[in-house]
Amino acid sequence: DAMVIQNPRYQVTQFGKPVTLSCSQTLNHNVMYWYQQKSSQAPKLLFHYYDKDFNNEADTPDNFQSRRPNTSFCFLDIRSPGLGDAAMYLCATSRKRTSGGYEQYFGPGTRLTVT
Amino acid sequence: SQQGEEDPQALSIQEGENATMNCSYKTSINNLQWYRQNSGRGLVHLILIRSNEREKHSGRLRVTLDTSKKSSSLLITASRAADTASYFCATASTDSWGKLQFGAGTQVVVTP
Repeated sequence: DAMVIQNPRYQVTQFGKPVTLSCSQTLNHNVMYWYQQKSSQAPKLLFHYYDKDFNNEADTPDNFQSRRPNTSFCFLDIRSPGLGDAAMYLCATSRKRTSGGYEQYFGPGTRLTVT
Repeated sequence: SQQGEEDPQALSIQEGENATMNCSYKTSINNLQWYRQNSGRGLVHLILIRSNEREKHSGRLRVTLDTSKKSSSLLITASRAADTASYFCATASTDSWGKLQFGAGTQVVVTP
């Protein structure tokens, strides 16, 4: 089945130790997104790729970086995780619907714990 | 900043009852979408309604959109325990190509 896969599902890192979360998709969608979601809150968009074009949200901290080496894969790098970065990280993809508008397909998320 | 405001924040009902939740937004939209999120999981797209549509149905789901009031509602009819989840509305604005802004969500608990 076509899907969005995130690895690992659970990640524990130490304060200040770089960590990379990965996302892959078999949907061949040209748009990929990274969201941060804290407990009982709305997902917050960090950045997205439209093909290879990277788009950073204005309030995304510099601590967060991303790479998209090809259509299928996208990575979220947190250079120096702080305690406040503990959250669920959601990857999503989309393509333009023929009727207009986009729906997004989400992966299961990676829950990051910072100790 | 958050585009959508949802109410109620939490809703507890019994199986068989209907669940209604509302979403209000601030700016002009291209479309509004509803997503479901089971605890600790990713979001699942439920339904998309475009700005020129007023009502849409999908199975037991009914979505309305009132652009004059900048509001939408999601109705789940004949709820089941499996409908227990958080429900989020998300808006795509007219000046973006697909970026969504999510509301804070409504947590729905359906008891058998």
